[in-house]
Amino acid sequence: KAGVTQTPRYLIKTRGQQVTLSCSPISGHRSVSWYQQTPGQGLQFLFEYFSETQRNKGNFPGRFSGRQFSNSRSEMNVSTLELGDSALYLCASSHSRAAGTGELFFGEGSRLTVL
Amino acid sequence: AQSVTQPDIHITVSEGASLELRCNYSYGATPYLFWYVQSPGQGLQLLLKYFSGDTLVQGIKGFEAEFKRSQSSFNLRKPSVHWSDAAEYFCAVGPARGSQGNLIFGKGTKLSVKP
Repeated sequence: KAGVTQTPRYLIKTRGQQVTLSCSPISGHRSVSWYQQTPGQGLQFLFEYFSETQRNKGNFPGRFSGRQFSNSRSEMNVSTLELGDSALYLCASSHSRAAGTGELFFGEGSRLTVL
Repeated sequence: AQSVTQPDIHITVSEGASLELRCNYSYGATPYLFWYVQSPGQGLQLLLKYFSGDTLVQGIKGFEAEFKRSQSSFNLRKPSVHWSDAAEYFCAVGPARGSQGNLIFGKGTKLSVKP
């Protein structure tokens, strides 16, 4: 069974640009969560989708958005990039109806550098 | 609100020595508890989880953790560390039973292994 696939793995953007990151969950998993990982703040929850609906959202500005498609693939978008958005963005899928109660399977992440 | 504290940012142990990584949580009820490991450049992998029942939980790679309600702790242990265990370890707590929340992660403990 293929794992969680995130694309692109690495990208460099400049301030003010926008970026879209993609995540393909494990087949059969309908829950997809996104986390931002930085050395200073650690892993911070961005949002979680289940069956195309956003169920939970973390404490991030509206520049951070996401969506989930009918095949459970998910994208997140960050608009008007700031230097502080440089981070590893991790996607995780789960077969549990409640993402926090079951095992999260993580992708390798998309490393975003904002110059 | 739930929170997770990992008091040790960085721990160094000798290969073959025992290991204990500390995790304390703040929560009003028995939470779902997890330990994840992240190798450099990789996503997170689940080591073990506690939902209920036996307070000593066995995981992969020879790790175990003990849930102690009286101390609000869920410490990770391994009797004999291998050089391949060098990685960053994250403790996480899930949502209240019956709710749809996300995992909240501690800031992580980086483990270095001396030969």
